[in-house]
Amino acid sequence: QKEVEQDPGPLSVPEGAIVSLNCTYSNSAFQYFMWYRQYSRKGPELLMYTYSSGNKEDGRFTAQVDKSSKYISLFIRDSQPSDSATYLCAMSVRTALIFGKGTTLSVSS
Amino acid sequence: EAQVTQNPRYLITVTGKKLTVTCSQNMNHEYMSWYRQDPGLGLRQIYYSMNVEVTDKGDVPEGYKVSRKEKRNFPLILESPSPNQTSLYFCASRPLAPGPGSYNSPLHFGNGTRLTVT
Repeated sequence: QKEVEQDPGPLSVPEGAIVSLNCTYSNSAFQYFMWYRQYSRKGPELLMYTYSSGNKEDGRFTAQVDKSSKYISLFIRDSQPSDSATYLCAMSVRTALIFGKGTTLSVSS
Repeated sequence: EAQVTQNPRYLITVTGKKLTVTCSQNMNHEYMSWYRQDPGLGLRQIYYSMNVEVTDKGDVPEGYKVSRKEKRNFPLILESPSPNQTSLYFCASRPLAPGPGSYNSPLHFGNGTRLTVT
């Protein structure tokens, strides 16, 4: 079993849709949970960052962590064509940072 | 502007010809790392460095070398490249602040180097 599992998609939605991206993990020692966004031909950039279970909101984006289920989610409200990118979850414990394989999202206008 | 700069952005080479991909950051970060990104495999760590003269292997170090002689620079060296090293490479850095969570500050990535080895 991989440490971090993420459905690669692709996921295609119309503009304005609510998008849900998810990752599961097996290592209960993971302490920090992040979502990175990667546009084509660019490096990943940090989108959301959270430590504890629960929700964290930033504009149209909400990160959710459920440590008991070892499950994290990223919700995008009112999705825009500019949200079209690959979204990578990442989890860390001490010096190790483990990435999911990324989900490719396409938002059509 | 705070950034991680990789060069070159694109590189095509032949098997066995030594090459170096440079990485430089201007944020005074202690931690630097190299990743490769392959379809279906995601981002995998090659090497990382916690500070000057301190380097360690990541998940896929075979065939690669690194050095950290200065805080800002972290070059990736392929002594004898092979076709299975054809990939998209990313350099990244982050600070190591003291205290709880010191290892978990976000990574800043460069824009990648696409390497093709024929």
